[in-house]
Amino acid sequence: ETGVTQTPRHLVMGMTNKKSLKCEQHLGHNAMYWYKQSAKKPLELMFVYNFKEQTENNSVPSRFSPECPNSSHLFLHLHTLQPEDSALYLCASSQVSGGFGGADTQYFGPGTRLTVL
Amino acid sequence: SQQGEEDPQALSIQEGENATMNCSYKTSINNLQWYRQNSGRGLVHLILIRSNEREKHSGRLRVTLDTSKKSSSLLITASRAADTASYFCATDVNYGQNFVFGPGTRLSVLP
Repeated sequence: ETGVTQTPRHLVMGMTNKKSLKCEQHLGHNAMYWYKQSAKKPLELMFVYNFKEQTENNSVPSRFSPECPNSSHLFLHLHTLQPEDSALYLCASSQVSGGFGGADTQYFGPGTRLTVL
Repeated sequence: SQQGEEDPQALSIQEGENATMNCSYKTSINNLQWYRQNSGRGLVHLILIRSNEREKHSGRLRVTLDTSKKSSSLLITASRAADTASYFCATDVNYGQNFVFGPGTRLSVLP
């Protein structure tokens, strides 16, 4: 887990709060991802960044705002969340080869357990 | 149903037994990956198998891939209590960079 770190590990916030999740990868990768994992639901891909550019937004509500200042850091800014947004938020990174070999191995952080009251 | 679906949803076995989990998918793929997740933690990559491969081994893990049936299986031999976790298959979608995870199989290995 030291390859990809996430802070905080646990977060409790009210619906009117603004908070940010932080992810940092120490693997020299060029792509980073945010996933949401809710109870009894499959892992959902939220955002993808390649070389700091957002390449995918899977219809995520605007109350989730990603930021990727460089290829090692990824943030998820949260505001006016709903109780149903309570979940484990996972960050991952990978080295994208750019060829046609399909998806590369992703390395995950330990996640942030978010509870929205 | 989803791109990747594991079967069974839950599996409970005794230590020392073998555990087999299956994954079915819908679209053409370049590769299929298996990941493990201990309760409430991040996912750990176990093994990647490419579409032109039929079988792959890594320690006590054996993965098979049948592209004609769009299915894969993960076999864990001589299971240990430490193997207790959720196991997910992940498939790339239409040869893309990103992949889709199935809902997972929860494996419990009883001592």
